[in-house]
Amino acid sequence: DVKVTQSSRYLVKRTGEKVFLECVQDMDHENMFWYRQDPGLGLRLIYFSYDVKMKEKGDIPEGYSVSREKKERFSLILESASTNQTSMYLCASSPPSGSSGNTIYFGEGSWLTVV
Amino acid sequence: GENVEQHPSTLSVQEGDSAVIKCTYSDSASNYFPWYKQELGKRPQLIIDIRSNVGEKKDQRIAVTLNKTAKHFSLHITETQPEDSAVYFCAAAYPSGSARQLTFGSGTQLTVLP
Repeated sequence: DVKVTQSSRYLVKRTGEKVFLECVQDMDHENMFWYRQDPGLGLRLIYFSYDVKMKEKGDIPEGYSVSREKKERFSLILESASTNQTSMYLCASSPPSGSSGNTIYFGEGSWLTVV
Repeated sequence: GENVEQHPSTLSVQEGDSAVIKCTYSDSASNYFPWYKQELGKRPQLIIDIRSNVGEKKDQRIAVTLNKTAKHFSLHITETQPEDSAVYFCAAAYPSGSARQLTFGSGTQLTVLP
């Protein structure tokens, strides 16, 4: 069973703080993703990575950065948290594009509140 | 890029009735269409998917249909049960370099009334 683990389920941070959201997957997947989920807006892609040290911007990268130093770990960084970044953040992973069973697997989510 | 629209945003049905959720996509290159179910407080989980070389796929009480010409696909749930209550997301995917990107619809909150 694929496991995508997000280290923090619930966080409360102050405006201006630097925030790290960590994600680890145990399936040796090449691809990893960070999504943001807001009511009525669905799941919006922030960044994704298709290899160690590789990253690409998604649809809403502003205010975020990412780090992938190891294949199994993908971190989302909010350099200076703002209240409009209060949201649920979902990490996901998938095998390479074109392989059979290239389903995307999600973590449990991290609820971030910025006050 | 791809744009996926999903309707309706909320749907209430009586237990035992059918539910239909519809999505349209914009990029004709998209070739993979999964549906995810997200129960309250839990992660989205894949419930069914369809690829562009197939028109319909069924798995027990759920089915998905795809019309490539019209660029729309639908989720059908028959004999709904209270445990079907959840948010459902459609998505469309196209190859993007070496990573497959999913573009999600905005979600449908399905409520099955006992």
